[in-house]
Amino acid sequence: TQLLEQSPQFLSIQEGENLTVYCNSSSVFSSLQWYRQEPGEGPVLLVTVVTGGEVKKLKRLTFQFGDARKDSSLHITAAQPGDTGLYLCAGVTDSWGKLQFGAGTQVVVTP
Amino acid sequence: SQTIHQWPATLVQPVGSPLSLECTVEGTSNPNLYWYRQAAGRGLQLLFYSVGIGQISSEVPQNLSASRPQDRQFILSSKKLLLSDSGFYLCAWTRRDGSYEQYFGPGTRLTVT
Repeated sequence: TQLLEQSPQFLSIQEGENLTVYCNSSSVFSSLQWYRQEPGEGPVLLVTVVTGGEVKKLKRLTFQFGDARKDSSLHITAAQPGDTGLYLCAGVTDSWGKLQFGAGTQVVVTP
Repeated sequence: SQTIHQWPATLVQPVGSPLSLECTVEGTSNPNLYWYRQAAGRGLQLLFYSVGIGQISSEVPQNLSASRPQDRQFILSSKKLLLSDSGFYLCAWTRRDGSYEQYFGPGTRLTVT
């Protein structure tokens, strides 16, 4: 089983601060995805990273895939209350599209 | 555009009662379909996935079963619910284009009492 470990489990910051969430594994993934989930709703895909060393930016969110494709990070610049949510990383494990999810990082941004 | 529906949104059932959760996808054909369960505030556990009508793969031995009677319909069932079946159940679909990007439904909150 390919396990994904996310850290930290919980992060509480003030509006305007920066934050980074980490997703690590001992296994190599062909690609890795990041989702954000709000209470009582399904996760929503933010980004997919495929190439080792790849960096993708989505407004104030920056996603990086490690060179060895075993780890990834999500950095949020100048966090806003709307960034509050559960951030989940997920690695593609096979050709059927099965995903291995991390346990998630709960981010709370207070005004 | 594609949409995914799940119902019911919430469900409270006594231990030992049957269960049927339904998921349907619109606007696409021949999707891969998935059922997940999520504990409060935590990651997702894959329960079942399906690559076609009548084709079901189980990931975790348990009290649940799944069926896919139509291309865009996925059903999660149980004959007798256990307290441990409580949770947030999510259905998801992917295209078969190699992107593996999953699109989730709104979920069903199941409480077994």
